[in-house]
Amino acid sequence: QKEVEQNSGPLSVPEGAIASLNCTYSDRGSQSFFWYRQYSGKSPELIMFIYSNGDKEDGRFTAQLNKASQYVSLLIRDSQPSDSATYLCAVSSHGNNRLAFGKGNQVVVIP
Amino acid sequence: GAGVSQSPSNKVTEKGKDVELRCDPISGHTALYWYRQRLGQGLEFLIYFQGNSAPDKSGLPSDRFSAERTGESVSTLTIQRTQQEDSAVYLCASSPRAGADTQYFGPGTRLTVL
Repeated sequence: QKEVEQNSGPLSVPEGAIASLNCTYSDRGSQSFFWYRQYSGKSPELIMFIYSNGDKEDGRFTAQLNKASQYVSLLIRDSQPSDSATYLCAVSSHGNNRLAFGKGNQVVVIP
Repeated sequence: GAGVSQSPSNKVTEKGKDVELRCDPISGHTALYWYRQRLGQGLEFLIYFQGNSAPDKSGLPSDRFSAERTGESVSTLTIQRTQQEDSAVYLCASSPRAGADTQYFGPGTRLTVL
């Protein structure tokens, strides 16, 4: 079992809709959870991090964490064409000294 | 302020040659990380430094890979006798300290082994 799994294929959403991305992780001792956005040919940039169960909102982004079920999700409200990118889920384990990344989910926002 | 920089941005080499990839972290960041990203894949952890020491080298794929860091600043990732499967983007990240929440990524070096 991979440490971090993002199994959904490319996600196409119309402009203004909500994009929903899910991620599961295997290490129950994981403590910190991150969502990175990566535009094609560019390096990842951090958009959200979450440590506690529940929701965390930042602008149009909401991260949701459920440690009991070992999943973390990202919601993008009022999706914009500029949100079209690959979203990488990352989990911090091993004493927070390395990040384990999922494969990523591509989001395409259709104008 | 200046972000993480990496050089070269692109490197094309022949199979069997050695390559060196360089990373300059954000000034003052004591933790430095190397990742590899193959086409269409997520990031694969290689090694991290706290200061000039590398407590975790567990991600290095083989003994052809090595890395060092000097002056608690610049780091070099060396790949000896490159193979075609080494072709990937090599990303460096830094954070204020090990265990800090946010890792800031550089633009990466795209390595192509012919």
